[in-house]
Amino acid sequence: EDQVTQSPEALRLQEGESSSLNCSYTVSGLRGLFWYRQDPGKGPEFLFTLYSAGEEKEKERLKATLTKKESFLHITAPKPEDSATYLCAVQARLHTSGTYKYIFGTGTRLKVLA
Amino acid sequence: EAGVAQSPRYKIIEKRQSVAFWCNPISGHATLYWYQQILGQGPKLLIQFQNNGVVDDSQLPKDRFSAERLKGVDSTLKIQPAKLEDSAVYLCASSWASDTQYFGPGTRLTVL
Repeated sequence: EDQVTQSPEALRLQEGESSSLNCSYTVSGLRGLFWYRQDPGKGPEFLFTLYSAGEEKEKERLKATLTKKESFLHITAPKPEDSATYLCAVQARLHTSGTYKYIFGTGTRLKVLA
Repeated sequence: EAGVAQSPRYKIIEKRQSVAFWCNPISGHATLYWYQQILGQGPKLLIQFQNNGVVDDSQLPKDRFSAERLKGVDSTLKIQPAKLEDSAVYLCASSWASDTQYFGPGTRLTVL
């Protein structure tokens, strides 16, 4: 069964304390892996797409990496405004129709303290 | 570029009542998705449209939920009758093809 697992569920960091969030997946026919940020009361906001093992993407203090079984979202020197829930989603082949489905993890709630 | 629009933003109903949500995707996006997000969980796909055809509705509780996308643009999601466990945020997203999804702000539904 296709599955996406994120860890930890929650993370508290001091401002400037770097860390990593993990997204592990078991899917057939992976096409892409997506990272989103979700603030309270808002819809998820797109951050990155990764398509192949070894690929890396960066944006400000965030860097996403991908292996064959997991992805990491590295946060370097975080600030309080980085506090949010970070969601990982995989895009997997939908049976034989040639289309794709998205499976989301449950997210990591990040709190950065000043 | 305008984002995905959803309405209403909030809705409170009693169980067994019906409710409908509306979504207007980003202009030109052929694929539209409806998700249910229960507090503390990730979004769960309910239905995916490609233009006005259904691609995947395997997780849609069809005895009470229905959705349509007339003319391949706007979409409505309906729940009839609602149950307590339907309390959640309903998110609409769109993408150009099977590509990056862009989400609307969501509709928070409370069923009493």
